[in-house]
Amino acid sequence: KQEVTQIPAALSVPEGENLVLNCSFTDSAIYNLQWFRQDPGKGLTSLLLIQSSQREQTSGRLNASLDKSSGRSTLYIAASQPGDSATYLCAVNGAGNNRKLIWGLGTSLAVNP
Amino acid sequence: DGGITQSPKYLFRKEGQNVTLSCEQNLNHDAMYWYRQDPGQGLRLIYYSQIVNDFQKGDIAEGYSVSREKKESFPLTVTSAQKNPTAFYLCASSRREGSYNEQFFGPGTRLTVL
Repeated sequence: KQEVTQIPAALSVPEGENLVLNCSFTDSAIYNLQWFRQDPGKGLTSLLLIQSSQREQTSGRLNASLDKSSGRSTLYIAASQPGDSATYLCAVNGAGNNRKLIWGLGTSLAVNP
Repeated sequence: DGGITQSPKYLFRKEGQNVTLSCEQNLNHDAMYWYRQDPGQGLRLIYYSQIVNDFQKGDIAEGYSVSREKKESFPLTVTSAQKNPTAFYLCASSRREGSYNEQFFGPGTRLTVL
């Protein structure tokens, strides 16, 4: 059974710092992995999606990497800003017919001015 | 603007009442999903539909019902059989096949039982 873990559960950093959020999964047979952002009381915003055949994806100050063999993905945020404060969720899409997303609990990020 | 809308934003239910949450998308997506989010728990899938007039139970379907009569709409009914319905409900959609199954989410409905 696929399980997704995100560490740390919470992170507080000063503005301008580069930071890494971690996501690990137990079954390497995945179709893709998706990173989302959620602001308090709001829906989810898709940030990056990495296919199983890819090693990384970039969007602006965000870079997500995927290492299937070790069951890990990282989300790198460069030059963090207070507006980056949110909860970041990762979700794994299983291979085969059962393509349902399996979710981590998220990392709550606070970027302090 | 293309996107997913959910209404209402806040909903209050009395004990024993059924309530229906609306989800509409204009992204021309085939697949739609309903999730429930509770503090300290990951998102849990309630129901999903890959095509009009077809839907499947997710991990926590008991006490919920859905319909998919139109491609754009996937309403969720929370019935009186759902014993603990207070939660944040999220609707999502994705392209069905030949795609990366990237899911896009609506703004959510917060349901509170009085």
